[in-house]
Amino acid sequence: AQSVSQHNHHVILSEAASLELGCNYSYGGTVNLFWYVQYPGQHLQLLLKYFSGDPLVKGIKGFEAEFIKSKFSFNLRKPSVQWSDTAEYFCAVIPGEDSSYKLIFGSGTRLLVRP
Amino acid sequence: ETGVTQSPTHLIKTRGQQVTLRCSSQSGHNTVSWYQQALGQGPQFIFQYYREEENGRGNFPPRFSGLQFPNYSSELNVNALELDDSALYLCASSFGTVTDTQYFGPGTRLTVL
Repeated sequence: AQSVSQHNHHVILSEAASLELGCNYSYGGTVNLFWYVQYPGQHLQLLLKYFSGDPLVKGIKGFEAEFIKSKFSFNLRKPSVQWSDTAEYFCAVIPGEDSSYKLIFGSGTRLLVRP
Repeated sequence: ETGVTQSPTHLIKTRGQQVTLRCSSQSGHNTVSWYQQALGQGPQFIFQYYREEENGRGNFPPRFSGLQFPNYSSELNVNALELDDSALYLCASSFGTVTDTQYFGPGTRLTVL
């Protein structure tokens, strides 16, 4: 079955530290990749998405992610985190041949940024 | 601002009861997807409706059913509630293509006692 793994369930960083959240998926075909974020008390919202082309994708609020096909990975990065980045981050996949466009989510990573 | 709304915000039911959750899509969107998010987990796909027809279903039993109306709003119905149905239920609307962003609502928190 298709699945998405986020290995870091909880991450604690100090402000200005660099961030990298891991995401791996198990699907051999074409994939469409997403990172969603849920700030405390808010809706899930899209950070960035990848469909094709340049494997380095830039999103909102200074986030970026790199698609490495050979590693089945789509890790999220930010060079310098802020206290306002405290949130839960979800990696998600839509398999390319799936006509229902269902998002398959990982279990999420809770990020706490200390001021 | 996503524009996707859900009602009610919270709901408490007992085992065996039935529940209906509602979702209003963002203006112009013709596709609604429903997800279940258990505590500490990522959202799991329940089903999707595209122009009033079911367009894909996840690994959920038939007691989970849905509808999409001509104005593209949607309902999720769950019959014979079980304790494990306690979760946050999310709906997401989009234009129905893989490249289009799915916009999520705030969710309905269902507690089954």
